[in-house]
Amino acid sequence: AQSVTQPDIHITVSEGASLELRCNYSYGATPYLFWYVQSPGQGLQLLLKYFSGDTLVQGIKGFEAEFKRSQSSFNLRKPSVHWSDAAEYFCAVGIATGNQFYFGTGTSLTVIP
Amino acid sequence: NAGVTQTPKFQVLKTGQSMTLQCAQDMNHNSMYWYRQDPGMGLRLIYYSASEGTTDKGEVPNGYNVSRLNKREFSLRLESAAPSQTSVYFCASRDRSYEQYFGPGTRLTVT
Repeated sequence: AQSVTQPDIHITVSEGASLELRCNYSYGATPYLFWYVQSPGQGLQLLLKYFSGDTLVQGIKGFEAEFKRSQSSFNLRKPSVHWSDAAEYFCAVGIATGNQFYFGTGTSLTVIP
Repeated sequence: NAGVTQTPKFQVLKTGQSMTLQCAQDMNHNSMYWYRQDPGMGLRLIYYSASEGTTDKGEVPNGYNVSRLNKREFSLRLESAAPSQTSVYFCASRDRSYEQYFGPGTRLTVT
């Protein structure tokens, strides 16, 4: 069965510091990979996605993610965090043939001044 | 262009009551989804519809039914609500690039 693991439940970083959120997946082939962000009381917004090609993908709000096939990972990074980045972040896997998506349990990000 | 809309925003039910959550999208997407979000569990897929007239079970379909009324609308029905169905419910639609667009959610409490 497919699964998505986000090992960090909660992360706290200082404003201006760099950020890396971890995501590992379990799937037989290379799935479609996504990172979403959810602000309190809101729905989810897509940050970036990977289907194929260049393993480093750029997203909105200055985020990027790197796909590493050998590690089954798709970690999200940002060089300098802003206070407005405080939110919940979800990694997701898409299975094209089944038209289904599987989400990780999320990482809550707190940004301190 | 409203995107994905959901009604109601909040609902309180007593155990055994029924209700329907409504979802509509105006982006002409074929695929639509219903998820539930519980603390510490992320989003879990309840049902999805790949196109008008088709529906399929996701990870957690028990206790729910769905109807794809037309291309725009995809409703979720709880026939006999249980406290375990207390959750936040999100509807989403998907475009051809596999990007999902989420509604604002419905916060449901079953007492």
